[in-house]
Order: sequence, then C-alpha cells, then structure tokens
Amino acid sequence: KAGVTQTPRYLIKTRGQQVTLSCSPISGHRSVSWYQQTPGQGLQFLFEYFSETQRNKGNFPGRFSGRQFSNSRSEMNVSTLELGDSALYLCASSLQGRTGETQYFGPGTRLLVL
Amino acid sequence: DQQVKQNSPSLSVQEGRISILNCDYTNSMFDYFLWYKKYPAEGPTFLISISSIKDKNEDGRFTVFLNKSAKHLSLHIVPSQPGDSAVYFCAASANYGGSQGNLIFGKGTKLSVKP
Repeated sequence: KAGVTQTPRYLIKTRGQQVTLSCSPISGHRSVSWYQQTPGQGLQFLFEYFSETQRNKGNFPGRFSGRQFSNSRSEMNVSTLELGDSALYLCASSLQGRTGETQYFGPGTRLLVL
Repeated sequence: DQQVKQNSPSLSVQEGRISILNCDYTNSMFDYFLWYKKYPAEGPTFLISISSIKDKNEDGRFTVFLNKSAKHLSLHIVPSQPGDSAVYFCAASANYGGSQGNLIFGKGTKLSVKP
C-alpha cells in the first residue's frame, strides 16, 4: 500500500504571497490531519478533516485554511505569508481519526518564506 | 503550557545497550499514546503505541511503559543499534466522543547510538 504523499516537497515564496500544499492519504484512510513543525515550537496541530468537513482545529490564525475532497485528498492554504510561516508542513492520515488509530505521516513540504 | 513534555533534548548510548526515552504529560484526558521516530527531512515514522487501559506494550526491540498515576511514559529500545539514531517524539491524544482529536507532541529527544 502506498504511503501518504505530499506535494510539493520544497517551496520558496516571498512575504505576502499565498501557497497551497497538497496531501494524498493512504488508500482507504478518510481522516487527514495537518501539522506544522518549526525548530522552536516542535510539531503543532493545524486542523483535521474527515468526510470533507473540518472536524478539529488547532490554534492558528485564519490565514491557515484547508479543505478535503471526496477522494479524501486534502489541501492546505496559507494566505499572506509571513517569515514565521517558514516550516515543515506535515500531513498525516488515519482510517477514521478515531481514538486508538495510528496516524501515518507523509514526508512533508518544506516551505521557506523570504 | 506544554501538555506533553520530553525533558531530555538529547541522549547518547552505546550500541547494544538499552536506550530509555522519557515523556511526561499533564492532561488526564489523554488516553492514547504514541512514539514516532524522525529522520531529518522526513516525516515522523510510527514506532509503537499504547492505550491507557494497558501499562506495557512490546514490539520487537521496542517496549513502551505507561504509568498513569505518574502521568509518565517511557520507550525502551533493547538492544540499541546505530540505525536507531534519530529524533524520537512522544505524542498523546484524547477521546472526544469517539473522535481522536489532534495529536499533541513533545518537542522530541535526539538519540545517538554510538558504535
């Protein structure tokens, strides 16, 4: 079974631009979660989608948004980029996002904001 | 306020010896705990998990122990191998009416296994 895939792997943007990142979950997985990893803050939860609905949201500003499609693929969008948005963005999938299920991570998208 | 804490940023052990990575948590609602291993420029790889109804789970060289009264869990790797050198993250989640909720991660412990 193919793992979680994320595109693109690397991205360079400038302040004020917007960016869209993509995540394809493991086949059959319907829950997709997004995390931001920075050296100072570690791994922080952004949001979780299940059946095309945002089910959970972390403590990030409204510039961070996402969506999920009917095939469970998910996209994350960051508008009006700031220097502090430079990070590794990780996507994880699980079957239904129920307790006791393991979340499997993709390789991440490394975003650099100049 | 950090709900999941890994107080040792780094740990160095000799090949063949035991590695013990520790994790403390503060939220008593957490009922599922996981350990992930991460290499640079890669996503975290799932290692082992434990439910709050258990106090031990074993998978090959990896064993996780959970002490609910102390809100503490640990990962034991025996014997340690140089390929185990990576950053290890402890994560926890709570059950919100059947939904897992988000994973709360510790800041990681960098393990170095020396040959």
